[in-house]
Formats: sequence, structure tokens, C-alpha cells
Amino acid sequence: NAGVTQTPKFQVLKTGQSMTLQCAQDMNHEYMSWYRQDPGMGLRLIHYSVGAGITDQGEVPNGYNVSRSTTEDFPLRLLSAAPSQTSVYFCASRGDSKNTEAFFGQGTRLTVV
Amino acid sequence: AQSVSQHNHHVILSEAASLELGCNYSYGGTVNLFWYVQYPGQHLQLLLKYFSGDPLVKGIKGFEAEFIKSKFSFNLRKPSVQWSDTAEYFCAATGYSSASKIIFGSGTRLSIRP
Repeated sequence: NAGVTQTPKFQVLKTGQSMTLQCAQDMNHEYMSWYRQDPGMGLRLIHYSVGAGITDQGEVPNGYNVSRSTTEDFPLRLLSAAPSQTSVYFCASRGDSKNTEAFFGQGTRLTVV
Repeated sequence: AQSVSQHNHHVILSEAASLELGCNYSYGGTVNLFWYVQYPGQHLQLLLKYFSGDPLVKGIKGFEAEFIKSKFSFNLRKPSVQWSDTAEYFCAATGYSSASKIIFGSGTRLSIRP
């Protein structure tokens, strides 16, 4: 039972490069989200999706794009990486019932130099 | 605006001490509340959750939390901590009208002295 799978686990980018963080879940969850974790700031919501074809912005969406072409996948794209995007990124999924918790991937540690 | 506040940024305790971590939320309407734990180098795992019913919720590893609606609080407690409880703890909430989004507090780092 894979749950939520994120790739890669580690990534180093140069300023201005673009890349996609992958997230896949095998629990048929409707809700998926991307968070970034920075020291002392907890987890901040970047983008989220309530189902295939539907996405919305969270607290800190600037510099990131998402799409949700299938229920299973929710990739996060960095358009032009900046040092301020150095962080640990977590993908989460949960069922669309109100009484469910989120399940998290293992995280991607991204460094932008 | 919806928010979750954790006022203890770093708590240091000795083994066998009692623990209480504070969490306050600001949400309109019905709210669901969670505590997650993140052990060093790992992802977040659910400790416990409150949706409705008994306001005293018991979770894994001896943790419990009490929902006090009048105080907008959901504090996490454990009677006797162990060295293995060293981790970061996050309080989180989602509202019935915004069930797709879970908002997290800033986290509390717990260090246990052996």
C-alpha cells in the first residue's frame, strides 16, 4: 500500500531553473494539497485541488503552478526557481468526506542556489 | 480569516514529565481539529483527530487532546513523556465550509532530555 508518493526526495536547482515535483496517491482521494515547510513557520498551503480538473490557490501560491489531470496525480511546478523557494515540500491527500484526515508524502527537500 | 496558533515554539522536558502543548484556532462555524507529529527526518503522521462528540480525544502513543469550544482551544497532553517523543508537533484545523483545506499551526518542537 503505497499511499502518497513524492519524487524526488532531494533536489538542487540553480536560480532560474524550472522543475516539477511529482505527487501520486493510490487511495482514490479527491482532495490533494501541496505545502511547504520552513523553520518556525509550520506548513503553509501552496495550492490545493478538490478533484480532477479543479485547483485553487493557498496561502503562498506565487512562483508555483499546479494541474490535476487525473485523480491520482498532482504535480507542482516551479516556473523559475528562486532561493526563497528553498524549503521542504509535502504533498498530502484526503478523502472528500469532511471527517477525514490528510495523509502525507515523505517530502522533497529542495535547495535553490 | 481562518488560522491556527501554537504559542509554544520549543518545549524542553525531562523524561516522565507531563506535557501540554497549546493550540488555538480561529474558524467560523463547525471545525475539525487534528494533531500531527513529525519525527526527525520523517513526514507528518496523525496523532489524533476531533470531529464531534466527546471533547476528550485519545490518540496513539498515550496522547490525548481536549476540545474546549468556549476557549477555541485544542491542547495536546501526555501524562508522562518518553525520549522517543522528541519530535515536532503540529496542530491543524479544517472547517465544514472549507473541508478541502487543512490549515496548520507553526509547530512546537519538543525536546526530551533522557
